[in-house]
Amino acid sequence: AQSVTQLDSHVSVSEGTPVLLRCNYSSSYSPSLFWYVQHPNKGLQLLLKYTSAATLVKGINGFEAEFKKSETSFHLTKPSAHMSDAAEYFCVVSLGGSQGNLIFGKGTKLSVKP
Amino acid sequence: NAGVMQNPRHLVRRRGQEARLRCSPMKGHSHVYWYRQLPEEGLKFMVYLQKENIIDESGMPKERFSAEFPKEGPSILRIQQVVRGDSAAYFCASSPHRGRKTEAFFGQGTRLTVV
Repeated sequence: AQSVTQLDSHVSVSEGTPVLLRCNYSSSYSPSLFWYVQHPNKGLQLLLKYTSAATLVKGINGFEAEFKKSETSFHLTKPSAHMSDAAEYFCVVSLGGSQGNLIFGKGTKLSVKP
Repeated sequence: NAGVMQNPRHLVRRRGQEARLRCSPMKGHSHVYWYRQLPEEGLKFMVYLQKENIIDESGMPKERFSAEFPKEGPSILRIQQVVRGDSAAYFCASSPHRGRKTEAFFGQGTRLTVV
């Protein structure tokens, strides 16, 4: 069965310091993985996606994630946090095929202190 | 190309009333997905539709909930006889085709409050 675990429900960083949001997945086959961001009272925006090409994926707003099969991880990173990065981040695995739906992690709330 | 449009953005219903949530997918997208987000939780899949067909409704509650995606017009998620536990944000997403590598584009959601 496919599942996604986001290891931290809340992460707090200072502006200008690195961001690390952790995600582990479980999948019976080679997964497609996504990171989405949700700002308060807004919809979800795709940050980046992994679909079995390069294992290091670059996304929007300076975010990137590395797919590590041996660790079943897909952690999201950014070298330097900005105040506008404060939001909730969701790690997502895609089932696709005849099901076509996404499995969401519970989310990590990122706070950025000035 | 407008994004996925959901309306209304906010909906208040009294217990026992019906709620109708609408979703217009992006132009050219024939696959629509509905998700529900309860407070402090991630999104949970409800139903996947392709024009006029329900492909997967494994996440839909067995009673009171229904969804449709007619040939013309938006997709509709209908909740009959709402209860307080139905209060949540309901998100619609669309994609041009299905497959696990396909990105889904999300609307801004409808926040349903049952009073």
